[in-house]
Amino acid sequence: NAGVMQNPRHLVRRRGQEARLRCSPMKGHSHVYWYRQLPEEGLKFMVYLQKENIIDESGMPKERFSAEFPKEGPSILRIQQVVRGDSAAYFCASSSGNGNTIYFGEGSWLTVV
Amino acid sequence: GESVGLHLPTLSVQEGDNSIINCAYSNSASDYFIWYKQESGKGPQFIIDIRSNMDKRQGQRVTVLLNKTVKHLSLQIAATQPGDSAVYFCAEMVDYGQNFVFGPGTRLSVLP
Repeated sequence: NAGVMQNPRHLVRRRGQEARLRCSPMKGHSHVYWYRQLPEEGLKFMVYLQKENIIDESGMPKERFSAEFPKEGPSILRIQQVVRGDSAAYFCASSSGNGNTIYFGEGSWLTVV
Repeated sequence: GESVGLHLPTLSVQEGDNSIINCAYSNSASDYFIWYKQESGKGPQFIIDIRSNMDKRQGQRVTVLLNKTVKHLSLQIAATQPGDSAVYFCAEMVDYGQNFVFGPGTRLSVLP
């Protein structure tokens, strides 16, 4: 399967714990996007990264959230000290470059209890 | 018909009829648009795209129309099938090469 791979698919965390969501882009893609989706709502842009660079993080909350896309390995979306309001589906997408189609993974569902 | 639910507007169509899903976009400078289909519990799936130098593009059973004058995008699905039941999102690329902004979505419900 050469598609966008996300893991874990489902993650349960207690309030105050950390959540790490991983995304491996499609083969040949070097651009990664993270989106968040609440039930019955649309996709909200969070961050756009290229290898070792954050291009646009205008959708990221100022605190507790961070993202990286290292030279080697998957992109990581990290949420520290999770709260109930962080419960959502987090989708990663990738593309081969500026202005090209973005393709999504199957998402990671975070539940904070 | 079309109705507004708690969060997502819903379009109900009879199996075999044509569906038209509409989207108003926000930025007159946007030059690339994509329609996605999202089934429950899954990620958005690419359906069809269109660039601003075109006003119509056709795929298999789907057609996208772009009206830049009124900043309107539509997705037409011919001979709608039960498998077409899903939420459909339009996305516009804002600030070339930056990020895609998604519309609120429309739930398509296909009636037998």
